[in-house]
Parts: sequence; C-alpha cells; structure tokens
Amino acid sequence: DAKTTQPTSMDCAEGRAANLPCNHSTISGNEYVYWYRQIHSQGPQYIIHGLKNNETNEMASLIITEDRKSSTLILPHATLRDTAVYYCIVRREDQGGKLIFGQGTELSVKP
Amino acid sequence: EAGVAQSPRYKIIEKRQSVAFWCNPISGHATLYWYQQILGQGPKLLIQFQNNGVVDDSQLPKDRFSAERLKGVDSTLKIQPAKLEDSAVYLCASSSQGTSGNEQFFGPGTRLTVL
Repeated sequence: DAKTTQPTSMDCAEGRAANLPCNHSTISGNEYVYWYRQIHSQGPQYIIHGLKNNETNEMASLIITEDRKSSTLILPHATLRDTAVYYCIVRREDQGGKLIFGQGTELSVKP
Repeated sequence: EAGVAQSPRYKIIEKRQSVAFWCNPISGHATLYWYQQILGQGPKLLIQFQNNGVVDDSQLPKDRFSAERLKGVDSTLKIQPAKLEDSAVYLCASSSQGTSGNEQFFGPGTRLTVL
C-alpha cells in the first residue's frame, strides 16, 4: 500500500472551510484515497473516498489532483464538533482488509 | 441501525494478568477486525475475520494474544499474560461486502491500562 504524508496539526476558525492536505506520491493506478476521522475517545469514522474524480457527500468534499499524487479533504463550514484527528489512507477498493493508519492530522476548530 | 458494541469500555489490570474483550459487530457484517491503538498513534490491525475464519493475523503477537469468532458473529480478544506495553485502546470494527468502499464501522473501543 502506498504511504501518505499529512501535516501533524492544523487550526481552523469555526464556520470557515477546513482544507486538509495529503501527499501520496507513490499511489498506484488501482488505489483509492480514503479519509477517516477520529474524535477524541471514539473509534474512527469513515468520511469519504475517491479514485481520481472529485467526490462530495454530506460530510465533506475530496479533491484529488490530476496526477493523483496528492489530495485535499475539505470541510466546507467547520464546527467545533469537527475537532478530530483526520487520517488519509490509500488502498485498493476491492481490498476488504486492513486500513493502514498513519499519524494523521490533528484538526482544532476554534471559536 | 445499531453500531458496533464493545465491552468493557475500560479495564485496569496488573502485568502478567489475563484480560478479555468482547465485540458485537453490526448485524449482517461478515468481516470483523481488531485494531490496537497506542496513545498518540493511529490504529494498527491485529486480526481480521471473514465470518468465523481468520483472513489476516500477521500482526497479532500470538505468544500472548488470541482471538476467536466461533459463530461468525461476536468476537473475543484475549491477552494472556499482559505486559506493560499492551496498554492501549482496542478497537473492533466490522464491514460488509455490500458497503460502498468497504467502509469499516468502528466501535468505541476498550481502554486497557496495564500496571
């Protein structure tokens, strides 16, 4: 599985967009980009995933660069409840197996 | 839909003692995972079950850790004997083949402290 690189921490003002970057320069053609988040004292929660097209759901948007070497998770209007560790993970969609978590980005949303 | 249930939520034991954790996955989910999360790190997979068969246990310290999922539903993870470095949160997750992206649903975890 390709390795990902994320900033250790980020701050965001409440109500503003939070843009979380992820580098995955060794991603393979059949590997997807997944995002999970983990709120303090809870288990990780799935957010979104994509292959090469941009994706949007009720939680977030995922922007993947054309060369697929990096991506950005966007929380359009961050709230205090979005304070969490965000994990960017790369794996094949047909792999019903393990998620390899890195250190993630600790996002702090401040009032 | 009920989520993944785990118990106990917290456990404190002394080193060399035994401990067991229980997980009840989402109904109908064939795949069950146990992860270990040490403070400050991301979760690490210990073992993955497909129904009642083991798919991946390459990261499970088999000299002290064991897990079973006898009827393909609930699962138990045991540590015997525990070491100080086993202090961590133990997360159970489940997934279904029919779920988009093989999304994994996680329980709240069991926080183990070994003294």
